[in-house]
Amino acid sequence: AQSVTQLDSQVPVFEEAPVELRCNYSSSVSVYLFWYVQYPNQGLQLLLKYLSGSTLVKGINGFEAEFNKSQTSFHLRKPSVHISDTAEYFCAVSAGNAGNMLTFGGGTRLMVKP
Amino acid sequence: GAGVSQSPRYKVAKRGQDVALRCDPISGHVSLFWYQQALGQGPEFLTYFQNEAQLDKSGLPSDRFFAERPEGSVSTLKIQRTQQEDSAVYLCASSSRPAGATNEKLFFGSGTQLSVL
Repeated sequence: AQSVTQLDSQVPVFEEAPVELRCNYSSSVSVYLFWYVQYPNQGLQLLLKYLSGSTLVKGINGFEAEFNKSQTSFHLRKPSVHISDTAEYFCAVSAGNAGNMLTFGGGTRLMVKP
Repeated sequence: GAGVSQSPRYKVAKRGQDVALRCDPISGHVSLFWYQQALGQGPEFLTYFQNEAQLDKSGLPSDRFFAERPEGSVSTLKIQRTQQEDSAVYLCASSSRPAGATNEKLFFGSGTQLSVL
């Protein structure tokens, strides 16, 4: 079984500042890793995913994440946030042979202030 | 349709009532998932369909929960004798390929918010 821990439930940050949202996972098998964003009253949208290859993954809206196998982490970063990035962000994992069968973390609410 | 559609958007039920939540996946999508998202929590897997076959129902919390997808398109999640702990947002997601195909994007609906009083 897999589990995901998002260490910060809320992250307040000023507009144009950099941000990092932390995600750690545990699994006894190889995993695929995902970040999803949820805007108010909308469905989850995929930001980026790591399947294999380069450990630095670039996604939509200027976000990127780095897979660190030794630290079992997949932190999400953006060098300069906008007010429109205010949303809930979820890290998720799936076992290597389970594709889209996702286990989600508890979420981090990113609050961008002017 | 253009995306995954769920109805109703909001549902209020008295404790003990039965409810039915509907999911219209993207046309032609093979995989369909149901997730439960409690307030302040991440989504938790309930069940998975590949076409009309329910291949995994390990996440259903009790035998009061039942899901079906009889023709491999629309799916219904039914909760019998609702309890207050059933209050949550129920999310549906679909994908064009089977669950093992990670290169296919998963599309989520906006969810049904169920409140049991």
